[in-house]
Amino acid sequence: GEQVEQRPPHLSVREGDSAVITCTYTDPNSYYFFWYKQEPGASLQLLMKVFSSTEINEGQGFTVLLNKKDKRLSLNLTAAHPGDSAAYFCAVSANYGNEKITFGAGTKLTIKP
Amino acid sequence: EAAVTQSPRSKVAVTGGKVTLSCHQTNNHDYMYWYRQDTGHGLRLIHYSYVADSTEKGDIPDGYKASRPSQENFSLILELASLSQTAVYFCASSEQSTEVFFGKGTRLTVV
Repeated sequence: GEQVEQRPPHLSVREGDSAVITCTYTDPNSYYFFWYKQEPGASLQLLMKVFSSTEINEGQGFTVLLNKKDKRLSLNLTAAHPGDSAAYFCAVSANYGNEKITFGAGTKLTIKP
Repeated sequence: EAAVTQSPRSKVAVTGGKVTLSCHQTNNHDYMYWYRQDTGHGLRLIHYSYVADSTEKGDIPDGYKASRPSQENFSLILELASLSQTAVYFCASSEQSTEVFFGKGTRLTVV
């Protein structure tokens, strides 16, 4: 089945700096890719999504890049601010029936003043 | 707006007791999931279902049962709760393999 590896598990950057979180996956048939944000004590909220045919998506100060050749998904934060401190999870699923969604282990992002 | 409601939101259970966590969705989604999250860690899939009256094992099904009596409802059952099952449990729903909508979580403490 699908394996998703997310790096790094912890990331600390200064306010205004950039940050990059990366996931690699194994199933070449993976089609849907998501990034979720989880603030402390809260549930997961969808941050951004990209489909296999799109490869890039931007919004809310983040850019999601998909490299299908390398089976790599990244979340790029261009200018961190304190509200970005949270845990971030990637998620991957294929485009055939009855297939579950596989999550990465998460990255705890801390923004330092 | 999509809605996934979990109950209870928190529970303290005794070791060896039976625990049932309930989940109700109003999204008209076929897929429902139960995930477990341990402090400071990611999500691990316990059970999922893509149709009523049928459930599938996830990555860590041991010690858990699931029940999907209707499209809207999905329960997670711990027949004999153990200390190692202390965690936060998230229910979620989705339309096939697309965006997953999460409930607010149930904090389970087994003592």
